[in-house]
Amino acid sequence: DTGVSQNPRHKITKRGQNVTFRCDPISEHNRLYWYRQTLGQGPEFLTYFQNEAQLEKSRLLSDRFSAERPKGSFSTLEIQRTEQGDSAMYLCASSFFAGGTYNEQFFGPGTRLTVL
Amino acid sequence: DAKTTQPNSMESNEEEPVHLPCNHSTISGTDYIHWYRQLPSQGPEYVIHGLTSNVNNRMASLAIAEDRKSSTLILHRATLRDAAVYYCILRDGPNFNKFYFGSGTKLNVKP
Repeated sequence: DTGVSQNPRHKITKRGQNVTFRCDPISEHNRLYWYRQTLGQGPEFLTYFQNEAQLEKSRLLSDRFSAERPKGSFSTLEIQRTEQGDSAMYLCASSFFAGGTYNEQFFGPGTRLTVL
Repeated sequence: DAKTTQPNSMESNEEEPVHLPCNHSTISGTDYIHWYRQLPSQGPEYVIHGLTSNVNNRMASLAIAEDRKSSTLILHRATLRDAAVYYCILRDGPNFNKFYFGSGTKLNVKP
């Protein structure tokens, strides 16, 4: 399967713990996006990378959240000192960006985080 | 970012056409109209996109109003597999950076 993969698929943690999620994009894609989705709502943009550079961060991404894409391939999203409000589905997407052409985003299956 | 308005839910019978409406009265000239759908327990998937002209692909058709303030996603023959939440999204043309999803329309397909 050459789609976007995310690990783990489910994570249950206690409030105050740190968690890290991984996203492996489609191999030739240079852009990688993170979204968060709570129950009954559409995904909310968090941040995106072009290659290894983090180009934009939403104000939703508090200082407890950090994302990296060190070699321009896979990405990690870390949440420090988790809170119950962090419980959500975390979605990763990737796309190939080339100038002004259209680039469809391909989404992974998501990581569901539950903070107890 | 321009906002879209969609009905919360719609229902269709299997093998009948479905018309999913979207209003985007504040659309700008460079905004593309995108449709994604999210099947249960999956990430969103691309359905179709357009700028001004109507578009067709293997999954659906997109009809765009002449003033571009509304659009309609058309599924020509709904199947049970089409039951999903459908999102209408606007994205600024030159930037292609990110999507702002609304709450979408939950489509139920009855056998």
